[in-house]
Amino acid sequence: AQSVTQLDSHVSVSEGTPVLLRCNYSSSYSPSLFWYVQHPNKGLQLLLKYTSAATLVKGINGFEAEFKKSETSFHLTKPSAHMSDAAEYFCVVSDLNGYGGSQGNLIFGKGTKLSVKP
Amino acid sequence: KAGVTQTPRYLIKTRGQQVTLSCSPISGHRSVSWYQQTPGQGLQFLFEYFSETQRNKGNFPGRFSGRQFSNSRSEMNVSTLELGDSALYLCASSLGLSGSSYNEQFFGPGTRLTVL
Repeated sequence: AQSVTQLDSHVSVSEGTPVLLRCNYSSSYSPSLFWYVQHPNKGLQLLLKYTSAATLVKGINGFEAEFKKSETSFHLTKPSAHMSDAAEYFCVVSDLNGYGGSQGNLIFGKGTKLSVKP
Repeated sequence: KAGVTQTPRYLIKTRGQQVTLSCSPISGHRSVSWYQQTPGQGLQFLFEYFSETQRNKGNFPGRFSGRQFSNSRSEMNVSTLELGDSALYLCASSLGLSGSSYNEQFFGPGTRLTVL
């Protein structure tokens, strides 16, 4: 069965320093992987998604993630944090079946709260 | 294009009551998924509807049910409310079935349900 583990429940960085949010996944087949962001009192917004076309995925707002099959990881990074990046981030996995469709629902990690200090 | 809308945004109920939440997907989207978000359990999948049929279901009791109408709008119903049902209920829509990297899910702002 598929699962996802976000290794840090809370990450704190200073503005202008790099961001690293860690995610490991477990999947039976070739996974679809996503990162979502949730600002306070807002719905979730898709940051980026892994489509199997390229292992380095670029998303919105300067975020990117690298798919590493050997390490079963999909860590989210950003070179320079901005105050507006303070939010909760969710790593999400879903299995693709042999026909490229979905095996089922999205599985969300527990979330990582990112704090950005001025 | 309007985003996913959910009504009501806030709701207070008492134990034993039932509640119905509504979700209007983005125009043209045929899939609607529902999630429950709590501080303890995080985001958990409830069910997904596509073309008026339930396609996937999470591990929730039968008190949680849903339906989808021909215009793709969806409702979620919770009967015999319990204190533990207090949560943010999120709805998401996509063009096709969720889970595929080709079918991005767009989330609504959620309905905050408080059970007293």
